[in-house]
Amino acid sequence: ETGVTQSPTHLIKTRGQQVTLRCSSQSGHNTVSWYQQALGQGPQFIFQYYREEENGRGNFPPRFSGLQFPNYSSELNVNALELDDSALYLCASSAALNTEAFFGQGTRLTVV
Amino acid sequence: AQSVTQLDSQVPVFEEAPVELRCNYSSSVSVYLFWYVQYPNQGLQLLLKYLSGSTLVKGINGFEAEFNKSQTSFHLRKPSVHISDTAEYFCAAPTGSGGSNYKLTFGKGTLLTVNP
Repeated sequence: ETGVTQSPTHLIKTRGQQVTLRCSSQSGHNTVSWYQQALGQGPQFIFQYYREEENGRGNFPPRFSGLQFPNYSSELNVNALELDDSALYLCASSAALNTEAFFGQGTRLTVV
Repeated sequence: AQSVTQLDSQVPVFEEAPVELRCNYSSSVSVYLFWYVQYPNQGLQLLLKYLSGSTLVKGINGFEAEFNKSQTSFHLRKPSVHISDTAEYFCAAPTGSGGSNYKLTFGKGTLLTVNP
């Protein structure tokens, strides 16, 4: 059974650019959630996808968007990057009727 | 909505000493609670979870936590810590209702530093 994998592990972008982060969910899981963890803070919920539909969103602007594919992998897209978007982005997958979330290693995004 | 508060941002202890990391929650409905650990430059790993049943929950790496409804607490404990326990610890609770609509609300984290 493979765990949650995220790519890339690190990347550096320039303010105003766009970025796509990727997540492969754990086998058998159809729910993917994305979190932003700023330095020294706890993770903050961005949004959740369930069976390819957005299923809940946190307090993030529309330039944060996502997709979930038929194989339940997911993408997080951020447009018009700002310096404050620099953070660790975490993906978590879970089974539909199970509250336990399994996290990937995260993608460290630096905006300069 | 449910929220969690971690009362200590940093907890330094000596190796082989006991440790308690504090977490309080607020909720008027059924409670699910989790503790996650984050080692430097890594993602989150589930230490233990309380869903229902026994209020004393045992997790990995010798950690345990006790759900206390009257004090709305879910403190994490370990009787004897190791250097390798140095990490950030997060208390978390789901918000939302039913099915897969669980988003986790995290506390701000407690940095446990184990010194030789």
